[in-house]
Amino acid sequence: AQKVTQAQTEISVVEKEDVTLDCVYETRDTTYYLFWYKQPPSGELVFLIRRNSFDEQNEISGRYSWNFQKSTSSFNFTITASQVVDSAVYFCALSRGSQGNLIFGKGTKLSVKP
Amino acid sequence: DTEVTQTPKHLVMGMTNKKSLKCEQHMGHRAMYWYKQKAKKPPELMFVYSYEKLSINESVPSRFSPECPNSSLLNLHLHALQPEDSALYLCASSQQTRYYEQYFGPGTRLTVT
Repeated sequence: AQKVTQAQTEISVVEKEDVTLDCVYETRDTTYYLFWYKQPPSGELVFLIRRNSFDEQNEISGRYSWNFQKSTSSFNFTITASQVVDSAVYFCALSRGSQGNLIFGKGTKLSVKP
Repeated sequence: DTEVTQTPKHLVMGMTNKKSLKCEQHMGHRAMYWYKQKAKKPPELMFVYSYEKLSINESVPSRFSPECPNSSLLNLHLHALQPEDSALYLCASSQQTRYYEQYFGPGTRLTVT
């Protein structure tokens, strides 16, 4: 079975705090891709990152960083020095098979307060 | 440019109406998708088109009818909808279906009265 679990339903932080969003996945595939998307209140899902199963290097993009660990089937997302504009629902997703379907986690709603 | 456009932004329709949602991308992507998203839930896949052919229909009721007139356009025809079909309908595209990131449009917020 393929599944993505985002155990944190809602997180609230104060601006400038660091925050980590957890993502745990299950798959029997040896080749797979993981994704993070951001959905602000406006509704549009914004693509943040894609990571393939053979590349366990951590990635940093500005205030965003991602930690992929196959040993624990986790792909966690950290926002450093959070800002109000980071307030959104964040989805972790797993690609499914050759058709490219995305299996989404239930999402984590992040609220950053000034 | 990673833009997917959708029209209309909002749509209110009665249960006997026929309407269409439109989606367009000019990124040269060969895969396009329709998702339905209810409040506080993740998107649910409805249809996948690959090279203008329907490749996946996730058991969607026939009152939803997709159409892909060309590689840049995707339509979703709506007929005899139910109030429970009220949701945000998202269109997405990707280079191909397999393993590529999907780029989403802003969505159409549909209300069925």
